[in-house]
Amino acid sequence: GAGVSQSPSNKVTEKGKDVELRCDPISGHTALYWYRQSLGQGLEFLIYFQGNSAPDKSGLPSDRFSAERTGGSVSTLTIQRTQQEDSAVYLCASSLLQGRTEAFFGQGTRLTVV
Amino acid sequence: DAKTTQPNSMESNEEEPVHLPCNHSTISGTDYIHWYRQLPSQGPEYVIHGLTSNVNNRMASLAIAEDRKSSTLILHRATLRDAAVYYCILSVTGNQFYFGTGTSLTVIP
Repeated sequence: GAGVSQSPSNKVTEKGKDVELRCDPISGHTALYWYRQSLGQGLEFLIYFQGNSAPDKSGLPSDRFSAERTGGSVSTLTIQRTQQEDSAVYLCASSLLQGRTEAFFGQGTRLTVV
Repeated sequence: DAKTTQPNSMESNEEEPVHLPCNHSTISGTDYIHWYRQLPSQGPEYVIHGLTSNVNNRMASLAIAEDRKSSTLILHRATLRDAAVYYCILSVTGNQFYFGTGTSLTVIP
């Protein structure tokens, strides 16, 4: 694709429900990153994939958060039993060669938990 | 974790050059220095990156200190569209990008 695509762009969910956020990286990009950004705050690292494996899951805030990547392409971030503090913009980025090349960001998914 | 330190905010007059500093004293030999910016209500956007030598592209220049413990992003002529939060990041191979709090740049007409 032309860029990193995230869906949905907006999601409103009730507290306690599960949500899935999707990221389609640029074709051929091996590295994929998930971040979240609360209103007026910086980017908080969540998880990083190299291919289908996640060498670093240290940023996931709790065991309610999980992520997977299949076929070295699409990634899904799942939040179980959502809480109001999960409300944020969730951003995905991909890069061709981790660290040595630029990362391209999607426009994010705005999650609101009511 | 590789960390960077940036001023919280800076101001520049329109049409003048802007020098945005970043300290990264714990940088190791294989860490790349990346700069991204985030305009209001948008995802971050790549600006420039480098390893040891100074780099130029159509958006900006990156000046890297000889000891690599600091770098400076240079916008040659600030425009109102350059108002954004600028993030300096160390990219550690085998690790992820950690974004700090960045520098909020205000451009004064």
